[in-house]
Amino acid sequence: EVQLVESGGGLVKPGGSLRLSCAASGFTFSNAWMSWVRQAPGKGLEWVGHIKSKTDGGTTDYAAPVKGRFTISRDDSKNTLYLQMNSLKTEDTAVYYCTRDRYNWNWALDYWGQGTLVTVSS
Amino acid sequence: SYVLTQPPSVSVAPGKAARITCGGNNIGSKNVHWYQQKPGQAPVLVVYDDRDRPSGIPERFSGSNSGNTATLTISRVEAGDEAKYYCQVCDSSCDHWVFGGGTKLTVL
Repeated sequence: EVQLVESGGGLVKPGGSLRLSCAASGFTFSNAWMSWVRQAPGKGLEWVGHIKSKTDGGTTDYAAPVKGRFTISRDDSKNTLYLQMNSLKTEDTAVYYCTRDRYNWNWALDYWGQGTLVTVSS
Repeated sequence: SYVLTQPPSVSVAPGKAARITCGGNNIGSKNVHWYQQKPGQAPVLVVYDDRDRPSGIPERFSGSNSGNTATLTISRVEAGDEAKYYCQVCDSSCDHWVFGGGTKLTVL
């Protein structure tokens, strides 16, 4: 059974940093492209960025609002995805989900974690 | 950047069909995915590649895509289908994913 479990959320002041983790199980993590998606309170879904598998180059892409501030990384030996968030702004307040990008379904996000809440407030 | 437009809300009586649209420039040339999100829960993929269903998703969920509009159709709507639905594609260079704004489906 595929499971994605996020952790690391919490309250942080504007300008601060936070690192989220996503522990994956039930599939070959090293072969998967993985994304982070966020949802501000009462708002819609917003793609944050993704990381390709190392066999596909291991590169990352980011949405414009977070580029230069957020960094996605992975540790395939630990089956864990990370999101390092720096220079946080109040508008980064959201539930953050990690997802698996299904390559043979044209990158549909076929599994989601339960999400972790990040609150940026003074 | 590529923009997806969804109606904010759709209402339907139980047993009828609900159609939720997702508009985008030449979206018919893209692969559209649909997600269902109930309050307090993570989204669930209900349709991928315009019209295919993951295992466990009822056949009542179907999709189509042509021209500038993709459509998610839920036939024989049930109270449990009440949720917010989002469409998603990859952008023109397919290195960014894009979501529509979401449509709240209300079962009358």
